[in-house]
Amino acid sequence: DTGVSQDPRHKITKRGQNVTFRCDPISEHNRLYWYRQTLGQGPEFLTYFQNEAQLEKSRLLSDRFSAERPKGSFSTLEIQRTEQGDSAMYLCASSQNIEAFFGQGTRLTVV
Amino acid sequence: GQQLNQSPQSMFIQEGEDVSMNCTSSSIFNTWLWYKQDPGEGPVLLIALYKAGELTSNGRLTAQFGITRKDSFLNISASIPSDVGIYFCAGLYGSSNTGKLIFGQGTTLQVKP
Repeated sequence: DTGVSQDPRHKITKRGQNVTFRCDPISEHNRLYWYRQTLGQGPEFLTYFQNEAQLEKSRLLSDRFSAERPKGSFSTLEIQRTEQGDSAMYLCASSQNIEAFFGQGTRLTVV
Repeated sequence: GQQLNQSPQSMFIQEGEDVSMNCTSSSIFNTWLWYKQDPGEGPVLLIALYKAGELTSNGRLTAQFGITRKDSFLNISASIPSDVGIYFCAGLYGSSNTGKLIFGQGTTLQVKP
């Protein structure tokens, strides 16, 4: 399978814990995005990488959120001191130009 | 900020019927994309539109980029049960060259066999 891969698919964590998600983009894509989606809404942009450089971050990305793409290939999204409001589907997408292809997402539930 | 308004919010139709949904904005968009999302899965790209007035088909799906660049519509002909899902429009606006997309709230489609 050469699509965008995300791990884990589901994560349940206690409030206050840290969580980390991984995204493996389509191999030849140099652009990588993270989006967040809550129930009944469309995905909302969080951050964007061009190769290893993080070029844009949304105001939705509080100080508790950090994303990396150390070698311009896979990316990680870490949430520190999780809050119940962080419960959502976290989607990763990659592209070569405009057409973004999404992974299956990581469903985070904070209890 | 930029917003996309999708309508209708939901549709319940009979198998075999044609479906039409649209997406409007108060801002100009340079590119429109249409995605379909199944429960618990990520959005899957259906059609991409790059020029005002462009009409593009993908099987039973047809989408158009509005002349004003502020709207787009998606038609599905002869619907089948597997068309069930949430359809999202997404736009790339203004001079953005990052590929960052703005999504609508989605149109939920249910098809009765």
